[in-house]
Amino acid sequence: AQSVTQLGSHVSVSEGALVLLRCNYSSSVPPYLFWYVQYPNQGLQLLLKYTTGATLVKGINGFEAEFKKSETSFHLTKPSAHMSDAAEYFCAVSLGSGNTGKLIFGQGTTLQVKP
Amino acid sequence: DAMVIQNPRYQVTQFGKPVTLSCSQTLNHNVMYWYQQKSSQAPKLLFHYYDKDFNNEADTPDNFQSRRPNTSFCFLDIRSPGLGDAAMYLCATSRGQVSYEQYFGPGTRLTVT
Repeated sequence: AQSVTQLGSHVSVSEGALVLLRCNYSSSVPPYLFWYVQYPNQGLQLLLKYTTGATLVKGINGFEAEFKKSETSFHLTKPSAHMSDAAEYFCAVSLGSGNTGKLIFGQGTTLQVKP
Repeated sequence: DAMVIQNPRYQVTQFGKPVTLSCSQTLNHNVMYWYQQKSSQAPKLLFHYYDKDFNNEADTPDNFQSRRPNTSFCFLDIRSPGLGDAAMYLCATSRGQVSYEQYFGPGTRLTVT
């Protein structure tokens, strides 16, 4: 069965510091992986996705993630945190369901950015 | 801009009083999803439609129903809301297939009094 584990339910960084949010997956087939961000009382916004091809994926707002098959990881990074990055981040793997895909989410990581 | 719209953004209902949440999309996507998200938790899929084909998750309570009258609209009906149904309800769309991303609406926060 496919699953996603996000290490660390809360991550706190200083403004300007590196952001690293960890995500590990388990999948019996090549995975399709996603990172979403959710601001308070809002829906989820896609940051980036990995389907096939280049393992380093660049997304919006300066975020990127690297797919490492050997480590079954898809960690999210950003070189320099901004106050506006404070939000909830969800890693997800897409599971085939008939003729559609459905997302299996990790439990989420709350990113706090300190001034 | 193409988007996913949810109405209302905030809904208050009484215990046991039926309530309907609405979702519309201008993306012309085949698939529409409904998620329930409780505080500090990940979204939990309730069901989805591929065109008019309805797919219910095994653990979705019978209290939750859905309708999709056309490509653009999808409704979530809660027949007898309980206090435990208070949550954010998220609608999402996708072109289908496992590799495609989902586009989320802003959500409806449901309060049950």
